[in-house]
Amino acid sequence: DAKTTQPNSMESNEEEPVHLPCNHSTISGTDYIHWYRQLPSQGPEYVIHGLTSNVNNRMASLAIAEDRKSSTLILHRATLRDAAVYYCILSRGGSNYKLTFGKGTLLTVNP
Amino acid sequence: GAVVSQHPSWVICKSGTSVKIECRSLDFQATTMFWYRQFPKQSLMLMATSNEGSKATYEQGVEKDKFLINHASLTLSTLTVTSAHPEDSSFYICSAGGQFNQPQHFGDGTRLSIL
Repeated sequence: DAKTTQPNSMESNEEEPVHLPCNHSTISGTDYIHWYRQLPSQGPEYVIHGLTSNVNNRMASLAIAEDRKSSTLILHRATLRDAAVYYCILSRGGSNYKLTFGKGTLLTVNP
Repeated sequence: GAVVSQHPSWVICKSGTSVKIECRSLDFQATTMFWYRQFPKQSLMLMATSNEGSKATYEQGVEKDKFLINHASLTLSTLTVTSAHPEDSSFYICSAGGQFNQPQHFGDGTRLSIL
């Protein structure tokens, strides 16, 4: 499986935008880029996913580099409830489909 | 939206006890479910892929006789930790739904503490 690299931690202030980077230089042409987040003592929560084009939903935006070797999760206005570990994961189709979690980025939001 | 329910949320039991954890997809059918384990301050580690009507596929290093998985219906998978010991204490999480190009939906996890 292609690997992703994320900063261990990031800090933001409430109501400011947050840009969470992810590098995936060995991504293949059919790999989807997924983002999940995990709040303390909870299961992961789906945030957003995409293939090539930038994506927007009610939670966040996903900006994908033209060469697809990196992507950025954008939280437009961080709230205290956005404090979580954010995971960037590549998923590939096939009979052995599964999600492999890395260490993720711990986002701290300051009031 | 789609919901995955996991039960129980937490369990405390004595060493040597077997513990069953249920994972249900509430509003969709799931031919495949996944079981993860997470130790404190660590990431999720995939334990096994649960396939409806067939045997589960275990990840390397996961004892299939220790962690029994049953996926008897399209909405229910169970994980049984047999003869649990303190080192099995962990946060167990299931997920279901979607293919590689769709979201996975996760349960809220089960915190297992073995005394």
